[in-house]
Amino acid sequence: AQTVTQSQPEMSVQEAETVTLSCTYDTSESDYYLFWYKQPPSRQMILVIRQEAYKQQNATENRFSVNFQKAAKSFSLKISDSQLGDAAMYFCAYRSGGTSYGKLTFGQGTILTVHP
Amino acid sequence: KAGVTQTPRYLIKTRGQQVTLSCSPISGHRSVSWYQQTPGQGLQFLFEYFSETQRNKGNFPGRFSGRQFSNSRSEMNVSTLELGDSALYLCASSLSLAGEEEQYFGPGTRLTVT
Repeated sequence: AQTVTQSQPEMSVQEAETVTLSCTYDTSESDYYLFWYKQPPSRQMILVIRQEAYKQQNATENRFSVNFQKAAKSFSLKISDSQLGDAAMYFCAYRSGGTSYGKLTFGQGTILTVHP
Repeated sequence: KAGVTQTPRYLIKTRGQQVTLSCSPISGHRSVSWYQQTPGQGLQFLFEYFSETQRNKGNFPGRFSGRQFSNSRSEMNVSTLELGDSALYLCASSLSLAGEEEQYFGPGTRLTVT
């Protein structure tokens, strides 16, 4: 079974600064997808960024980028120019590319606080 | 295009009762997945439906069941409620079962069991 670990229960950052959230995963599969989701106090889960395992290039979405280290099974999220609206719980998630289809396996989450 | 909707948003039930939660996916989406979120266990996968068939199931007791209708709307049912069933129940929809398809989450149903 796949597992996802987020070792940082809480992180904080000053507005306009950069912060990196860590995530490691364990899998024996070669075909999979990795995601970062944001869950603000409203509880609405929002997809921040995703990475296909077969792609070597790290995904980037505006101020959000990932550092995908496949051999190390590491998938960290970097948030640049942090904004107050980035404050939320962030979840790293894994999805198999095989027969498990839509099932997402989530990490425990990291609470991000942004200080003005 | 309307997002994923879940009803009701909040629910209070008593131990031993049963409850039914509803999820309407984004128009055109045929896959619906359900997750349970609790402070202790985090986010856990319950089950997934596609074309009215359960395609995948998480490690939950048989008290948790679900179904999907021909219009892709899905319901989940929890019978004989226990205090530990208090949680935020999230559903997510996607176009298909393909691994690369993005899942869109609803706002959740907050269930409190007393």
